[in-house]
Amino acid sequence: DAEITQSPRHKITETGRQVTLACHQTWNHNNMFWYRQDLGHGLRLIHYSYGVHDTNKGEVSDGYSVSRSNTEDLPLTLESAASSQTSVYFCASSEAGSGTDTQYFGPGTRLTVL
Amino acid sequence: GIQVEQSPPDLILQEGANSTLRCNFSDSVNNLQWFHQNPWGQLINLFYIPSGTKQNGRLSATTVATERYSLLYISSSQTTDSGVYFCAVELGYGQNFVFGPGTRLSVLP
Repeated sequence: DAEITQSPRHKITETGRQVTLACHQTWNHNNMFWYRQDLGHGLRLIHYSYGVHDTNKGEVSDGYSVSRSNTEDLPLTLESAASSQTSVYFCASSEAGSGTDTQYFGPGTRLTVL
Repeated sequence: GIQVEQSPPDLILQEGANSTLRCNFSDSVNNLQWFHQNPWGQLINLFYIPSGTKQNGRLSATTVATERYSLLYISSSQTTDSGVYFCAVELGYGQNFVFGPGTRLSVLP
């Protein structure tokens, strides 16, 4: 069955370190998204991609970067982790042009920055 | 930017009861979806419904795009319906997706 996976599921890091969160989907979807979820803020869009080599900034992109070298993966990098980036991170994908644009979510990565 | 509001913020039901959750949005949207986040954190898409009415088992949703709101109906609620329900909107293709703050539903046995 097609799926979307995230790794690691839990990560503890220190302020200033570079961290990369992986997202891999086997749906063969063109669209991929990264969100963060914080208490009191719901889900907020960080970056998104509509295809290979395409990346776009979302609502809360400062301090994050993504790259899309293939259809299946959209890694999220925190260049210099800050305590304010402690959050739960969700990756999602959807099929472009399907007429439904249904988003499918990964299980999430809980990141703690000390 | 677009504002998305959900009501009520919290809802407690007895098993078997019916409920209606509401999502209001401040601008015309190209895409509206309802999601359920279970107590373990998993997000599941329930409906893609930019307009009209859809039903899936005990759940149904209606979006009145001209009046900028959507409703999610849960009938004969079960304890497994507990969690947070989010609506999310997209202004247009290539625009940001914006999530509402969610409605936290607790279904008691």
